[in-house]
Amino acid sequence: QQPVQSPQAVILREGEDAVINCSSSKALYSVHWYRQKHGEAPVFLMILLKGGEQKGHDKISASFNEKKQQSSLYLTASQLSYSGTYFCGTEKGGGSEKLVFGKGTKLTVNP
Amino acid sequence: DAGVIQSPRHEVTEMGQEVTLRCKPISGHNSLFWYRQTMMRGLELLIYFNNNVPIDDSGMPEDRFSAKMPNASFSTLKIQPSEPRDSAVYFCASSLRSSETQYFGPGTRLLVL
Repeated sequence: QQPVQSPQAVILREGEDAVINCSSSKALYSVHWYRQKHGEAPVFLMILLKGGEQKGHDKISASFNEKKQQSSLYLTASQLSYSGTYFCGTEKGGGSEKLVFGKGTKLTVNP
Repeated sequence: DAGVIQSPRHEVTEMGQEVTLRCKPISGHNSLFWYRQTMMRGLELLIYFNNNVPIDDSGMPEDRFSAKMPNASFSTLKIQPSEPRDSAVYFCASSLRSSETQYFGPGTRLLVL
């Protein structure tokens, strides 16, 4: 039931792009994306609801393909501040209301 | 707004002792979640409350763990007796409603010796 994230880790140089994927074996109602820096709490990035919408702010955006039961997070022109571990949390709906988090993708952005 | 408040921030205890973790959610939020994070298992939901009522405690590892929410502004997670395998970071999070953005507290880093 835990969503699968890929890749597990990625190293970028500042300015490069990255894509993080989140896949589920269950039908999804929503996908939530969080970023966690070392020693800190997870911080909310965005929610995508059933409907295939794409969202974004700054240079971070995400898409949700409900038919494929997967979401992707796009980071463009990465900055040093993007470093951290990215988690997707999936909600299957139908009254379930709780999030199940993937194991995370560790992103390192180097100068 | 002060955000979600957790205490203590760090706890070191010996095996067999009782541990109580505390959480104050953001004022006005109706849902509260307790998570445990370890390197091996990642971020796991232990239990969540809606309007102070426990909704899903299927993630609570065993009877040694219990959680209460006596009112809208306070919740506790208790481990009795504690074991070394309980060592982890415990996060509390709150949201306006259960399917909306969750705001995490700073976490309690627990070490059981």
